[in-house]
Amino acid sequence: AAGVIQSPRHLIKEKRETATLKCYPIPRHDTVYWYQQGPGQDPQFLISFYEKMQSDKGSIPDRFSAQQFSDYHSELNMSSLELGDSALYFCASSLGAAGNTIYFGEGSWLTVV
Amino acid sequence: AQSVTQPDIHITVSEGASLELRCNYSYGATPYLFWYVQSPGQGLQLLLKYFSGDTLVQGIKGFEAEFKRSQSSFNLRKPSVHWSDAAEYFCAVADRSGGGADGLTFGKGTHLIIQP
Repeated sequence: AAGVIQSPRHLIKEKRETATLKCYPIPRHDTVYWYQQGPGQDPQFLISFYEKMQSDKGSIPDRFSAQQFSDYHSELNMSSLELGDSALYFCASSLGAAGNTIYFGEGSWLTVV
Repeated sequence: AQSVTQPDIHITVSEGASLELRCNYSYGATPYLFWYVQSPGQGLQLLLKYFSGDTLVQGIKGFEAEFKRSQSSFNLRKPSVHWSDAAEYFCAVADRSGGGADGLTFGKGTHLIIQP
């Protein structure tokens, strides 16, 4: 079965640069979530979209923005990167919202040097 | 706001022995509850979930979990662990009141070590 696809899988950026992560949800899933997991940490919810509209907002820094496009894929844009942004970024998707099972992608590793 | 507590940071179990991973949640009503497993450098795989109904939930890989409202707990169990079960286990809760795409709140995780 198709899963959540994230790209790139690995990314190295310098401080103050910009990075964009992409997420392709499971086909027919209309809800996308972004999470950040620092080394040895639990995943932290950043933001979610339902039917291309922002649905919930967690601990997403102001330097980050995201959107969901008409084909339901989503992009997380991160600007003015800091060393502390180095983390594993997960995208997840679900069919509908309100607690339906959320499926996670393999994650995108961002290293800021 | 909801929260999840996993009291055990590390647990070591002998292969073939039984396992119980603890999870306590704080939430005003009955939440949606999940257990995920994460192998090093990998994504999160859903083991099982509880939304409503039977409080004993069966999942994949021989895992089960029991929702106990009186104890605000959702402990994960497996009768006999295999070396391949060594991983990080996360309990998570979702808000079921708002109807929106609320993010999951995760516990800090329990690192499971399997002894030969």
